[in-house]
This record gives sequence, C-alpha cells and structure tokens, in this order.
Amino acid sequence: DADVTQTPRNRITKTGKRIMLECSQTKGHDRMYWYRQDPGLGLRLIYYSFDVKDINKGEISDGYSVSRQAQAKFSLSLESAIPNQTALYFCATSDPGQPNEKLFFGSGTQLSVL
Amino acid sequence: GDSVTQMEGPVTLSEEAFLTINCTYTATGYPSLFWYVQYPGEGLQLLLKATKADDKGSNKGFEATYRKETTSFHLEKGSVQVSDSAVYFCALSDPDAGGTSYGKLTFGQGTILTVHP
Repeated sequence: DADVTQTPRNRITKTGKRIMLECSQTKGHDRMYWYRQDPGLGLRLIYYSFDVKDINKGEISDGYSVSRQAQAKFSLSLESAIPNQTALYFCATSDPGQPNEKLFFGSGTQLSVL
Repeated sequence: GDSVTQMEGPVTLSEEAFLTINCTYTATGYPSLFWYVQYPGEGLQLLLKATKADDKGSNKGFEATYRKETTSFHLEKGSVQVSDSAVYFCALSDPDAGGTSYGKLTFGQGTILTVHP
C-alpha cells in the first residue's frame, strides 16, 4: 500500500461547486503539505501543517482551505471551484527528524473544473 | 523571494546519450538543493540532493554539483536509458534564521525528458 494516499485520483466538477480532496499517510510524519502542479509552472505550495494544531498558508492559498483532522489526515477544500483551479494536486509529507528533510508525495489528484 | 529556473524542455534523446538539464536559482539564505523526478502517473520522488557548496549529490547514475559561485545545480547523466523518461524538477529549500530547513520547497517548472531506444 502507498505511504501517502490521495483520493480521488481524478475529479471533474462544475464552476461554483464545493469539492474536497483527501490525503492520508501511514508514514507517521507530523508535517503535511498541499501543492498544485500546473504545466510550465512547476509545483506551488498551497497550505502546510507542521502538526494537528498548526496550519499555515503557502504561496497560493486564496480560494482554498484545509483541515488537519488527525496526524495522518490532511484535506484540501475548494469552497467554490473555478476553472483556473484546474490542476494536478499533490499531498506530501516530511519528517522533521531528518536533516534537510525530503518530501514524500502521493500520486496526485487531477482536478478539472468546467 | 526565492526562485528556480530550469532549462526549457522537452528534451528528447537516444538511449546511451549524455544528459544535462540546467538549473539556476536565487535564494535569500543558504539553501539546500534538490532534484525530484516524476514518472508517468506517479508523484514526485527525491532523486538527489546537496546541502552546501561544492557538494555533489548522486543517485542512479545521475549527478549534480552545488555551485554557489554560479548559483547552479545542473543535473547530468552519462548514459540515459528509456526508463529515465520522466519529468525532472529542480527545487530548493531555504532555511529560516535559525538554520532549519523545512519541507517548503520552491520548484522549477520541470523538464520533460523522453529517451528513445
């Protein structure tokens, strides 16, 4: 089983709809992240959480919200989806006990907003 | 702010050819540098990293050297294989004032590599 699991893998929705992307991990890491990938732009950080009570905005948080339900779960919500939120979304985790900690990524959720 | 610039892609090579993917960066602090690889349909995975000037990261035949004087971290491989076809991302992690690096990375735009038999 994957260490970082994202659901759904693909989602098509309409403008104005609320949608939630879910992420769960079995790595036991405290730190979790949501990134979005757009062609030609690389990955950009949306939100990150260093523990259950710690939530921080990233570079492009407008239009998004997150919930850290438990150490293992970190959800990303789009309250009212718009077409320019069409992208590939990645959840990632890291272990602060590792120097220069590396990120462990899920397989991604491809979201299309029509 | 921090930024990472990669060479334009896509890059198409024949098997056993030499690969270079250029990466330059700007950072406010003394960053750690990374190369991540994304195979089709998968998430990114760390390929190699370097944490200080003149360090060489290496893995699976790939190498990159942290060049502080030219703010570069170019990825090289002497002989590519079809299985190396993927998207390659250069990234940096800039430490805070206390010298701690978090998992908040700044990524380049990615370079698509296709290797033909």
